Amino acid sequence: GQQLNQSPQSMFIQEGEDVSMNCTSSSIFNTWLWYKQDPGEGPVLLIALYKAGELTSNGRLTAQFGITRKDSFLNISASIPSDVGIYFCAGRSVKAGGTSYGKLTFGQGTILTVHP
Amino acid sequence: SAVISQKPSRDICQRGTSLTIQCQVDSQVTMMFWYRQQPGQSLTLIATANQGSEATYESGFVIDKFPISRPNLTFSTLTVSNMSPEDSSIYLCSVVAGNYGYTFGSGTRLTVV
Repeated sequence: GQQLNQSPQSMFIQEGEDVSMNCTSSSIFNTWLWYKQDPGEGPVLLIALYKAGELTSNGRLTAQFGITRKDSFLNISASIPSDVGIYFCAGRSVKAGGTSYGKLTFGQGTILTVHP
Repeated sequence: SAVISQKPSRDICQRGTSLTIQCQVDSQVTMMFWYRQQPGQSLTLIATANQGSEATYESGFVIDKFPISRPNLTFSTLTVSNMSPEDSSIYLCSVVAGNYGYTFGSGTRLTVV
């Protein structure tokens, strides 16, 4: 099946630093999604990317859909303590037969710790 | 985006018993998904539940162990049957609302003792 390799597995940074994490896949995806999960909560969508080469920002977050459609990165600028959590990438593929909504495949997650 | 209410939020269950998890959405949605997140792990899709048809299960998951109901476009249940400690996980429902919006419930944290 499809697999996503997400790196790094964890990051320990100082408040104010920039953060970068990425995901690579052996398969092509039609949509890349980035989620954040806080303890005891479900994942919350941060950014959705719909086409190759797309660069999208959401406040201090910037994500890009790789040209090859097999990778994506997420950058967080000027990190703050509330950025702490687990960040997941997810790829969506079109199901065979042309169904619009394919299932999501998730990366392993990046645990972010921000020291004040 | 859709708002999902998932119940219970957590439970501690005896091995051999079953637990039914409910997922209620505030709008009608075509596709609902059930995921499992084992401790310290990522999310793994269990099955896709469409209204009016049987759920489609992913490799490694079977209907006898994880029966799913989808009686209407706003509600679904997942049952974890004949539980063992290995079933201790967070179970999450997710819906597609709008063109690309995958929204998740807050999850059910299950501990089997």
